[in-house]
Amino acid sequence: NAGVTQTPKFQVLKTGQSMTLQCAQDMNHEYMSWYRQDPGMGLRLIHYSVGAGITDQGEVPNGYNVSRSTTEDFPLRLLSAAPSQTSVYFCASCQVASGASSQFFGPGTRLTVL
Amino acid sequence: QKEVEQDPGPLSVPEGAIVSLNCTYSNSAFQYFMWYRQYSRKGPELLMYTYSSGNKEDGRFTAQVDKSSKYISLFIRDSQPSDSATYLCAMSASGGTSYGKLTFGQGTILTVHP
Repeated sequence: NAGVTQTPKFQVLKTGQSMTLQCAQDMNHEYMSWYRQDPGMGLRLIHYSVGAGITDQGEVPNGYNVSRSTTEDFPLRLLSAAPSQTSVYFCASCQVASGASSQFFGPGTRLTVL
Repeated sequence: QKEVEQDPGPLSVPEGAIVSLNCTYSNSAFQYFMWYRQYSRKGPELLMYTYSSGNKEDGRFTAQVDKSSKYISLFIRDSQPSDSATYLCAMSASGGTSYGKLTFGQGTILTVHP
């Protein structure tokens, strides 16, 4: 199993550009989520999904959009990039049936917005 | 005030020392408590997981949860240079989709020197 994969690893955008961060998992996990990590802030939840077709907002959803059309994929879209969105983005997944919050994290995407 | 507070350190100890890492929290709904380890430029990996109060031991690692004090700890015995990483505490509530919505501390940077 590849686990949770994220692409790209690095990205530089200009203010106002849009892009999609890709996330995929091959563990048949129902639950997937996106976090951003900033220095001194820990990780903060952006959006999450409990299954295909179901998404909801986390703590810091503004400026981001998500959809979940399959169990495996959970892309994160930046609609109009801003310098405040410079961060490291992590995708995570976990099994609902386990009843545990043992989430598996991907390797991250480092995004810089100029 | 943040829901979860964690001393960011940095913490530097000699090899073989006992390390104590701590987090306090304010949300009494938190039921799941986790410690993640994050190596530089990598995604967080689950180290310890505890449900509700009590202790849990796994090799050199011991996690403690005191819900009455809203305080959790991670102890590392016989610390090794390979333990050098950022340690993040994380918590979530139970019920509905809350189990997957993790709230993280800021992370503590630990260096174990030979």
